[in-house]
Order: sequence, then structure tokens, then C-alpha cells
Amino acid sequence: AQSVTQLGSHVSVSEGALVLLRCNYSSSVPPYLFWYVQYPNQGLQLLLKYTSAATLVKGINGFEAEFKKSETSFHLTKPSAHMSDAAEYFCAVSGHTGNQFYFGTGTSLTVIP
Amino acid sequence: GAGVSQSPSNKVTEKGKDVELRCDPISGHTALYWYRQSLGQGLEFLIYFQGNSAPDKSGLPSDRFSAERTGGSVSTLTIQRTQQEDSAVYLCASSLSGTGGTQYFGPGTRLTVL
Repeated sequence: AQSVTQLGSHVSVSEGALVLLRCNYSSSVPPYLFWYVQYPNQGLQLLLKYTSAATLVKGINGFEAEFKKSETSFHLTKPSAHMSDAAEYFCAVSGHTGNQFYFGTGTSLTVIP
Repeated sequence: GAGVSQSPSNKVTEKGKDVELRCDPISGHTALYWYRQSLGQGLEFLIYFQGNSAPDKSGLPSDRFSAERTGGSVSTLTIQRTQQEDSAVYLCASSLSGTGGTQYFGPGTRLTVL
């Protein structure tokens, strides 16, 4: 069975500072991993997706995530936070069989001017 | 084509009433998912469709919840005898394929049960 843990339900960073949102997964085999973002009053949209092609995945809006099998992690980073990055971020895992997506509980990112 | 659409965007109902929530997936997407997002919580998986069949109903919280999909396209989530704890945002997503496919989400239906 798969599951996802997002450490830190709320993260605050200053504008221009590094963004680091943590995600750890539990899976018997390397899964598909996703980061989704939900801006206020909007639906979820895909930031990036890991499919085993490369361990460092680049997404939209300057975000990237690195798959680390040894740490079972898929942390999301961005070198310099922008005010527009304030949103809820969800990590998700999907297996190679079956069709369920397992979402983390989300991390709310606040960017301080 | 167009993205996933859901209707209504907001629904206010009285406790005990039945409600129907509709999802129009992206054309050609065979997989369709329903989730519930409660205030301050993550996404709770409800049900998954591949075509018209629902191989995974494990997330439906009670027998008051049911869903169907017709013609491999539109899906309806029905909640009977609504309770206040059913208040949440109900999200629909579709993908080209089930396993590992990127899910594209609709804007959601905000359900409020008074």
C-alpha cells in the first residue's frame, strides 16, 4: 500500500527565500509521485510529476523536486519565493498497479513580503 | 479541449435532502475520480471509474454515497439524506489512463448542509 506524509501543515518564508516543502512516501516499489498546487479559490493543478525518467524533476513556476529512493522522499523546492507562490501544496503518490492516488494532507505556504 | 467541469459550483441544502453533483471530464479521458476536501484537510479519495465501471469504491464513506458514470463520460455523485458532516468541497478529476496518469482537476462543488 502507498501513503504520503507531508511534514509541516504550514510553512512561511520571506519573499526571495528558499522554499522547501517536504514529502515522504511509503511504497513497496518506486511509485509515480506528483506535486499539485491549489491557489485560493481555484482547483488543483499539476506542478510536476516523477515517472522514473530522471530523479530531478522540473515543474512550472520555477519549482523542482528530487526523488530520493534512499530517503523515500520527494521534497519540493524553489530557490526564490515569490508572493504569487502563496498557496496550498499537495504531494501525491500513485502505484504501478491499481488506480488510487494517495494525497498528503497538504502544506499551506505563506510568503512574507 | 476544455478542462474538467463540475456543477453546481456551490450547493446549499438542508439536512436530510438528497443532492447530485455532476462532473464532465476532459474528452477522451477514460479514468475519473471523485475526492472530498474538508476544511483544513487533504483530499479524501471517494471513488474511481475506468470507463463506466467503478473498480474501486473503497473510499465511499457510507451507503448514502453513490456514483455512476454513463457513456464513459459524465459522472454523477449522489449523496442521500445529507448530514452536516457531508459539508465539503467535492472534487472531480480525470486522466487519460488510470495507473500513474496525471489527474486533471475540476474547480469543485462546495456543498453546505445546513
